[in-house]
Amino acid sequence: AQSVTQLDSHVSVSEGTPVLLRCNYSSSYSPSLFWYVQHPNKGLQLLLKYTSAATLVKGINGFEAEFKKSETSFHLTKPSAHMSDAAEYFCVVSDLNSSASKIIFGSGTRLSIRP
Amino acid sequence: GAVVSQHPSRVICKSGTSVKIECRSLDFQATTMFWYRQFPKQSLMLMATSNEGSKATYEQGVEKDKFLINHASLTLSTLTVTSAHPEDSSFYICSASRGEYEQYFGPGTRLTVT
Repeated sequence: AQSVTQLDSHVSVSEGTPVLLRCNYSSSYSPSLFWYVQHPNKGLQLLLKYTSAATLVKGINGFEAEFKKSETSFHLTKPSAHMSDAAEYFCVVSDLNSSASKIIFGSGTRLSIRP
Repeated sequence: GAVVSQHPSRVICKSGTSVKIECRSLDFQATTMFWYRQFPKQSLMLMATSNEGSKATYEQGVEKDKFLINHASLTLSTLTVTSAHPEDSSFYICSASRGEYEQYFGPGTRLTVT
């Protein structure tokens, strides 16, 4: 069965420093993986997605993630944090056991940015 | 492209009444739509999956008679919370799929039951 684990419930960084949000997945096959961001009381916005093409995926707002099959990881990074990056981030994996395009959400990581 | 809207964005209703939330795919036909519930500071919980013209498939623990889902067309799905109670207060988010693994999310509906 597929699953996704976000290792940190809360990450706090200073503005201008790098961001690392960790995500590990479990899957029998090469899955599709996504990162979404959610600002308070808002819906979800897709940051980036991996669908078996290039392993280094570039997304919006300077974010990128690298699919590492050997480590079953899909960590989200950004070289320099901005105050507007403060939000909740969800790592998501496709549910290959479902024929209805279902996806599985991680528990989320709250990113705080210190001035 | 792939825009999903929800209406209303926020609603307050009295205990015992029913409330309907609409989810629309604005620029594509959605083969499948999903309804999620999100409690404060928690992740999204899938409630049900619906395909146009057929009955919704509910996740374990979700009461189908309480959360009525209708998927009347390829661009519209509705969630009706029947006989709402304060514990039904939550953030409800829908998403739509074109048959691939990516889902396109609506902006969410904040339901408050008083």
